Amino acid sequence: GEDVEQSLFLSVREGDSSVINCTYTDSSSTYLYWYKQEPGAGLQLLTYIFSNMDMKQDQRLTVLLNKKDKHLSLRIADTQTGDSAIYFCAESSLGGFKTIFGAGTRLFVKA
Amino acid sequence: NAGVMQNPRHLVRRRGQEARLRCSPMKGHSHVYWYRQLPEEGLKFMVYLQKENIIDESGMPKERFSAEFPKEGPSILRIQQVVRGDSAAYFCASSPDRVTSSDTQYFGPGTRLTVL
Repeated sequence: GEDVEQSLFLSVREGDSSVINCTYTDSSSTYLYWYKQEPGAGLQLLTYIFSNMDMKQDQRLTVLLNKKDKHLSLRIADTQTGDSAIYFCAESSLGGFKTIFGAGTRLFVKA
Repeated sequence: NAGVMQNPRHLVRRRGQEARLRCSPMKGHSHVYWYRQLPEEGLKFMVYLQKENIIDESGMPKERFSAEFPKEGPSILRIQQVVRGDSAAYFCASSPDRVTSSDTQYFGPGTRLTVL
């Protein structure tokens, strides 16, 4: 079945880059997303990438997709304390409505 | 344009009681999705509804859980005879149409259910 896996914790120093990794199993995945969840809040869509793309950059965020290995990463440049949150990797298929989420990576940013 | 609204934000129930969670989609959205997030886990799809119709409920537990999205009013997720294992955050998302592009599922802030 469909599955999305990601590491549970990441700790970085303020100003460093953060790289959060994710793997997925569904080869029909068309859209791959990164969501951010701050404590007690809902999910905020950060960025997404289509499966026919290798990379997408949006300000401090860079998404890399290796479709062959089904590996997705999110790089946050110049990480700030306000970036501390849980980051969810998710995927969905074209025409599908179920978004499959990973368990989330808890990013801790040390000042 | 207000976002997806959920209420209550926090709900405490004793075992055996009923829990009703409400979701008002964004204005102009006719599709609603419910997800459950257990502690330390990601979101799991529960059910997808359009106005007055359940499209897919493959993620719903077979017993005690039901969902509706009436012609007028919010979508309701109902949990009867709650048990401690139902304690979780329940998120609602809405979209203007069946999701065919990447960013059209908007999430609400969630309802955190605690069963004592």
